[in-house]
Amino acid sequence: GENVEQHPSTLSVQEGDSAVIKCTYSDSASNYFPWYKQELGKRPQLIIDIRSNVGEKKDQRIAVTLNKTAKHFSLHITETQPEDSAVYFCAASPFSSGSARQLTFGSGTQLTVLP
Amino acid sequence: KAGVTQTPRYLIKTRGQQVTLSCSPISGHRSVSWYQQTPGQGLQFLFEYFSETQRNKGNFPGRFSGRQFSNSRSEMNVSTLELGDSALYLCASQQGADTQYFGPGTRLTVL
Repeated sequence: GENVEQHPSTLSVQEGDSAVIKCTYSDSASNYFPWYKQELGKRPQLIIDIRSNVGEKKDQRIAVTLNKTAKHFSLHITETQPEDSAVYFCAASPFSSGSARQLTFGSGTQLTVLP
Repeated sequence: KAGVTQTPRYLIKTRGQQVTLSCSPISGHRSVSWYQQTPGQGLQFLFEYFSETQRNKGNFPGRFSGRQFSNSRSEMNVSTLELGDSALYLCASQQGADTQYFGPGTRLTVL
């Protein structure tokens, strides 16, 4: 089955700096890669996702890059703000018609943005 | 649209008991997936239901089971509870190839 490794497990940055979180996956059949943000005591919320037919996707201060050859993808947050502090999870999933996604998650990164 | 809802939000049980958790997906979503979240193991996939049929199952013992009703609402059941079953149980609903949206979770504590 799929295995997703996520690094680093903790990350502290100064407000306004950039943060980068990296994930690798093992199953070449995976073609969908979402990122979720989970604040303490709350549900995971999707912040951005990418499908394997594109190499990069941006949404304001957040971007995700995908390298299918190397089987890794990364989350980039620019101009970090204190409200970006949370645990971030990457995930990978194969998808085939007629079936739903079975997400395999990374172990999470605790991001702390220092004011 | 209303989001994914889960009941109850908190539950305390003792070892050996069984528990049933409920999930109502977003209106129109026919797929419901269940995940277990623990500090040690992270987020792990339990199973997924679509049109009342289990399509995928994760690597969990048979004590974990689920079902889905014709209105897409889903329940999961854990029998013979163990201390290690203490976790946040999350369900997520999905429509087609779209994003999975998570519910707030049920926090289960086994004493």
